[in-house]
Amino acid sequence: GDSVTQMEGPVTLSEEAFLTINCTYTATGYPSLFWYVQYPGEGLQLLLKATKADDKGSNKGFEATYRKETTSFHLEKGSVQVSDSAVYFCAPSPGSNDYKLSFGAGTTVTVRA
Amino acid sequence: EAQVTQNPRYLITVTGKKLTVTCSQNMNHEYMSWYRQDPGLGLRQIYYSMNVEVTDKGDVPEGYKVSRKEKRNFPLILESPSPNQTSLYFCASSIGGLAGGGSNNEQFFGPGTRLTVL
Repeated sequence: GDSVTQMEGPVTLSEEAFLTINCTYTATGYPSLFWYVQYPGEGLQLLLKATKADDKGSNKGFEATYRKETTSFHLEKGSVQVSDSAVYFCAPSPGSNDYKLSFGAGTTVTVRA
Repeated sequence: EAQVTQNPRYLITVTGKKLTVTCSQNMNHEYMSWYRQDPGLGLRQIYYSMNVEVTDKGDVPEGYKVSRKEKRNFPLILESPSPNQTSLYFCASSIGGLAGGGSNNEQFFGPGTRLTVL
């Protein structure tokens, strides 16, 4: 089955710092790749996605590029805000003939003012 | 409003007392899924359903049952809960579970159910 390796946290940053969260995956076929965000006390919601190699997903200042050659989908933001404090999950869509979903373990990010 | 709803949001129960957590979506999605979230372990899939009457095990199905009699509902059943099932549970749905890189795999999550088994 598919698997996801996500950078462990927790990560604590100051406002306006640069954030990177690494994510690598194994999957059969050509999955779509997603980053989800979970704000305190809430369910997960989609942050961004990329559906094919070299695609860049972006939203709310976050970006991630689908790197097929390195099977990676690292999340970046150039200048974080306190409101970015959340748990971030990397997730590929199911591979061929497989409908299970795998999520990374989640990375807790805390941004201090 | 398009949404996934779960009930109850909070539940405290005792070992062995059967319980059901309901999940409903109003987006006509085919794929539905249950997850549990535990500190340090992230999100793990319990069961999923590709469509009505089609369900399959995820990574941690032991101690759980599901059913999919209607497209919109996907209840999670704990026949005999135990303390190790204390967790935060999420239901999710998506348009389809099709593999191969399709863009219709975004998961829509419910607000979560916090379950405590004493």
